[in-house]
Amino acid sequence: GIQVEQSPPDLILQEGANSTLRCNFSDSVNNLQWFHQNPWGQLINLFYIPSGTKQNGRLSATTVATERYSLLYISSSQTTDSGVYFCAPRDKIIFGKGTRLHILP
Amino acid sequence: DTGVSQDPRHKITKRGQNVTFRCDPISEHNRLYWYRQTLGQGPEFLTYFQNEAQLEKSRLLSDRFSAERPKGSFSTLEIQRTEQGDSAMYLCASSQYGPNEQFFGPGTRLTVL
Repeated sequence: GIQVEQSPPDLILQEGANSTLRCNFSDSVNNLQWFHQNPWGQLINLFYIPSGTKQNGRLSATTVATERYSLLYISSSQTTDSGVYFCAPRDKIIFGKGTRLHILP
Repeated sequence: DTGVSQDPRHKITKRGQNVTFRCDPISEHNRLYWYRQTLGQGPEFLTYFQNEAQLEKSRLLSDRFSAERPKGSFSTLEIQRTEQGDSAMYLCASSQYGPNEQFFGPGTRLTVL
């Protein structure tokens, strides 16, 4: 089946820094979602992005389906950005292992 | 609140007991999904329904796991004869028909002693 790899697995940054999280998938996908899992376990939708680029405030995401990857950009990080970020190709119902982000005050 | 809800939020049980979890999806969503998440891992797909039909159940972890959605609205996930390895977060999600955006509930955290 399809493999989803996320990198880096862990990231520690100072508040105010920018970061790029990557999601690679081994097969073509039609739709991709990015989620943020907060410390209480709630998965929060960030983007639903089959292709192209979307922006929402300090966050933006780009999916290049033909090259089988997606990127999540976080600018001017805040401590509330801490948590685990997951990507999931929707039609394959599979999640990556996540990137654990810790923003230091 | 019109989001996905799950009940209970936490469940502690003794090994060998049966447990049942409930999920109420977003009202206009006809697809409902169950996932399990263990520490340090991403959610692992278990099963999903379209309306009352269970379209995929081969990934249920064992025959001790079963799910129902009898009227196409809420769903239940039952684990019989629980084992310590069943301790995990059980997540429910819903979406409209097709590979559309999923929305997750807060999860039920199961601890098997």
